[in-house]
Amino acid sequence: GESVGLHLPTLSVQEGDNSIINCAYSNSASDYFIWYKQESGKGPQFIIDIRSNMDKRQGQRVTVLLNKTVKHLSLQIAATQPGDSAVYFCAENAGGSQGNLIFGKGTKLSVKP
Amino acid sequence: DSGVTQTPKHLITATGQRVTLRCSPRSGDLSVYWYQQSLDQGLQFLIQYYNGEERAKGNILERFSAQQFPDLHSELNLSSLELGDSALYFCASSLLTGDTEAFFGQGTRLTVV
Repeated sequence: GESVGLHLPTLSVQEGDNSIINCAYSNSASDYFIWYKQESGKGPQFIIDIRSNMDKRQGQRVTVLLNKTVKHLSLQIAATQPGDSAVYFCAENAGGSQGNLIFGKGTKLSVKP
Repeated sequence: DSGVTQTPKHLITATGQRVTLRCSPRSGDLSVYWYQQSLDQGLQFLIQYYNGEERAKGNILERFSAQQFPDLHSELNLSSLELGDSALYFCASSLLTGDTEAFFGQGTRLTVV
C-alpha cells in the first residue's frame, strides 16, 4: 500500500544499469547515516549505513558516498534488478544511534525490464 | 520476515477514541523504536525504549504514550484520536541502542474516521 508522500522524486532505470539515488541532509552535526529500502506494503529495510568519519562504504551491490562539505549522501546500486524497485529513504542521526533518526522524503526507484 | 511482529495489521476507529498498538521485537533485541509514516509527513521517529526504559523521544504528541514491558514487547497508546492521526505506525527493534541495524515490522495501518 501507499506509504510515502504524494510527490516523491522518481528514478526510472533499465534493468542492468547502475542507479544513483541522492539525498541532502539537514544537520551538519549528524554523524550517522542510513539508507533504507521500503517495498510496497512492507516496513523499511536496512540497506547500508555510514558514519561521518568515512566518505565511502560498500556493501553487496550497493555503495554509499558521503560528502560532508555539501551535506550530501548518495546510494549507488550496481546492476539494478527488478527486485530493487522500491522507495529509498536516507536517514540521519546526530547521536550515533538508531534512535531519533530524521528521514528524508524518499525516492521511488522503478526498474524497467 | 524481519522477526518483528506488529498487531493489529489494520485498525479503523472513530475520532476521540483510544487504541493500543502492539509490537513484539526480534528475539534477543533490547531496543524498540516507534515510527509514524503519513502521506504528508513521511517517516517520523516517535520514541525509543531500551530494556524497559525510555531512551529517546522524537515528535510524539502528548496524546500518545508508549511503554516496554519486562518481556520486551512494547505498546503504543494513541488517545483522543484525530483524523490526522491516520497513518502507518511502524515498530523496529535492534539488539542494542548503538548504531546497530534495526529491523522493522510490517506496520499497523490506522484509519481514523
